[in-house]
Amino acid sequence: DTGVSQDPRHKITKRGQNVTFRCDPISEHNRLYWYRQTLGQGPEFLTYFQNEAQLEKSRLLSDRFSAERPKGSFSTLEIQRTEQGDSAMYLCASSYKIRTTGNTIYFGEGSWLTVV
Amino acid sequence: QQPVQSPQAVILREGEDAVINCSSSKALYSVHWYRQKHGEAPVFLMILLKGGEQKGHDKISASFNEKKQQSSLYLTASQLSYSGTYFCGTLNNAGNMLTFGGGTRLMVKP
Repeated sequence: DTGVSQDPRHKITKRGQNVTFRCDPISEHNRLYWYRQTLGQGPEFLTYFQNEAQLEKSRLLSDRFSAERPKGSFSTLEIQRTEQGDSAMYLCASSYKIRTTGNTIYFGEGSWLTVV
Repeated sequence: QQPVQSPQAVILREGEDAVINCSSSKALYSVHWYRQKHGEAPVFLMILLKGGEQKGHDKISASFNEKKQQSSLYLTASQLSYSGTYFCGTLNNAGNMLTFGGGTRLMVKP
C-alpha cells in the first residue's frame, strides 16, 4: 500500500515565477486535500476535492493559486507569480470515508517551496 | 475556528508521562491526533469518533469528552521516539475540512 506521494519535494524559485506541485493520493481514496504549513504553525486548509470536483476552497487560496484534479486521481496545485510569503510546505492528503471508522486523513511528505 | 492546544511545549525525561489537551468552542464530531517530526509530514496517530470514547495506540492513548468539547492525548512511559509536535484536528460538519490546533512541542530527553 503506497502512501500519498508529492513531487517535487523541494522547490526554490525566484519571485514572480510560477510553480506547480503534483500529488498522487492513495489509490482507493476519493477525497484529496491541500494544506499549507509554515514554520511553527499547524497545517492550514487550502482546498478539498471529492473525486474530480473541487468542493471547498479556503479564503487563503488567493487568485494566484489554482488546484485541479482532472480525472479524480492525481492533483496539481499551481501558484502563479510567486511571492516571498508563499514560502511554506505544501501538504497533500487523502482519505476515504468509512462510516464505522471515520474519515482518516493521510498526509504526504510535503513539498517545500522557497521563494527568493 | 481553530482548536486550542495546551501546553504549547513540554520537556520530559524518558519514562515520564505527559498529557496534551485540545479544546474547541464549537461542537466536536471527531478529533484526529497527529505527530509531526521536524521537516516531515504529520503522521496519523488516532481518530476519536464518539463522546467519551477512549482509544490506545501502543503507550499513547486519547479520550474525547463531547460535552466538554475537548480531547486529551496521554503519553505514558515516554520514549525518545515520542519527541515531535503533536497536533489535534477537528472535522467540520460536512466532514471535509480538518482544522488543526497550534501544536504541542514535546521533547523527550534521555
